[in-house]
Amino acid sequence: EAQVTQNPRYLITVTGKKLTVTCSQNMNHEYMSWYRQDPGLGLRQIYYSMNVEVTDKGDVPEGYKVSRKEKRNFPLILESPSPNQTSLYFCASRGHVREKLFFGSGTQLSVL
Amino acid sequence: AQKITQTQPGMFVQEKEAVTLDCTYDTSDQSYGLFWYKQPSSGEMIFLIYQGSYDEQNATEGRYSLNFQKARKSANLVISASQLGDSAMYFCAMREDNTGNQFYFGTGTSLTVIP
Repeated sequence: EAQVTQNPRYLITVTGKKLTVTCSQNMNHEYMSWYRQDPGLGLRQIYYSMNVEVTDKGDVPEGYKVSRKEKRNFPLILESPSPNQTSLYFCASRGHVREKLFFGSGTQLSVL
Repeated sequence: AQKITQTQPGMFVQEKEAVTLDCTYDTSDQSYGLFWYKQPSSGEMIFLIYQGSYDEQNATEGRYSLNFQKARKSANLVISASQLGDSAMYFCAMREDNTGNQFYFGTGTSLTVIP
C-alpha cells in the first residue's frame, strides 16, 4: 500500500531535549516536505526536499533541521525544542510536480 | 499578502443540502495548481479535488466540485448532498509551478453537517 509513515503519532517532551520525528514513504517520490498545523494558521511549510541531499527552507524553518540521506526518509529534527513548537506536524511527499501531496498521519508534539 | 484566503472559519449545513466553501488565492504565476483537502477529527489529511490553472473545465470528483473562476482568483469547493461524515475541517491549497516546491495552505473552514 502506498503510504507516508510518520512516527511517533504523539510525543510529549520537555524544553531543550532533542527529538527526531521520522518520516518514510514507499512511493519512490523525490519530493518530500514537512508542515506544522496550528489553530487559526492552517498548515505552514517548514522544510522541503527535492531529492537526496537537496533540502530548502519553507516559510517557518527556525528551530528545525532536516536531512535527506535516502530517498525514502526525511526526518525532522528539533535540536532544542521550545514550547512554541507545540503543534501538529505533517510529513508529505509527491511524485510528479503536478501531483497532489500524500500526507502522513501526523505527529502531535507537546513541548513542556 | 496571504497566498490562500479562506474567509469562513466555520460553516453549518443541513444534511442533504449543498454547501460552498470559499477560497481565494493570490499568485502572479500563469501556471499553478489548486487543491482541496479534508481533515476529519481523526486528524489525517484526505485529498479531495485538484484544479490546474489551464484546465478549461471545473474539476469534479463525485459529490465534490470546484467552482474555478480564474479572473476572480477563486476556487470554491462545492459539496452536494451533504452527509454527516462531511463534518470536518477543509483546507484549500495552492502550488505555484514557477517553483513547484512550496505549497500554500489556507487557514481552513470547519464544516458541521446538521442532521
